[in-house]
Amino acid sequence: DQQVKQNSPSLSVQEGRISILNCDYTNSMFDYFLWYKKYPAEGPTFLISISSIKDKNEDGRFTVFLNKSAKHLSLHIVPSQPGDSAVYFCAASEADSGGYQKVTFGIGTKLQVIP
Amino acid sequence: DAGITQSPRHKVTETGTPVTLRCHQTENHRYMYWYRQDPGHGLRLIHYSYGVKDTDKGEVSDGYSVSRSKTEDFLLTLESATSSQTSVYFCAISESSGLAAYEQYFGPGTRLTVT
Repeated sequence: DQQVKQNSPSLSVQEGRISILNCDYTNSMFDYFLWYKKYPAEGPTFLISISSIKDKNEDGRFTVFLNKSAKHLSLHIVPSQPGDSAVYFCAASEADSGGYQKVTFGIGTKLQVIP
Repeated sequence: DAGITQSPRHKVTETGTPVTLRCHQTENHRYMYWYRQDPGHGLRLIHYSYGVKDTDKGEVSDGYSVSRSKTEDFLLTLESATSSQTSVYFCAISESSGLAAYEQYFGPGTRLTVT
């Protein structure tokens, strides 16, 4: 049973427009959420994160929104650029009984930004 | 970029043979992880380590073992490779405490094919 769900396997957006990537989760114990970006033949790279005590975090063109009541987060990219074309993984973290931060990843959404 | 290397980067092996993948870091981070990435499953945790000789299982640990004899090296062993273990394997590291512990840095990946 997937605890972190990315229901859109792919998304195409015109350059300059907004890209919105969505993620839903089921585990109410998640306390930290992250987005990773992955180019082909490379490892994922950390993009942006948000604590469960916040509802928005912004870093340049990237903004993550968290709606705890809906168990939903989204990543907004404005304006979208061709170099943003990649697979985006949503991830969520919780502390286990030993204090280890256990991270669960979604299956990813492939974003294509069309010039 | 975080100093993480993986070797080999590509490997083809036959069913039933043992395989060892190596992850090496130069960041002196405490935590190290092994993930596998498969279509439709995203990134799934195989094993992780929270210190030298301290390891624990992830969600897909069956058929895999790990060892960490030095801070900088984390080995993943497939004792008897099966075709279901054909995948891309990523090593990741993270710092030991605070919010930085949530953010993992990934290596470039190892593509393993079991024939």
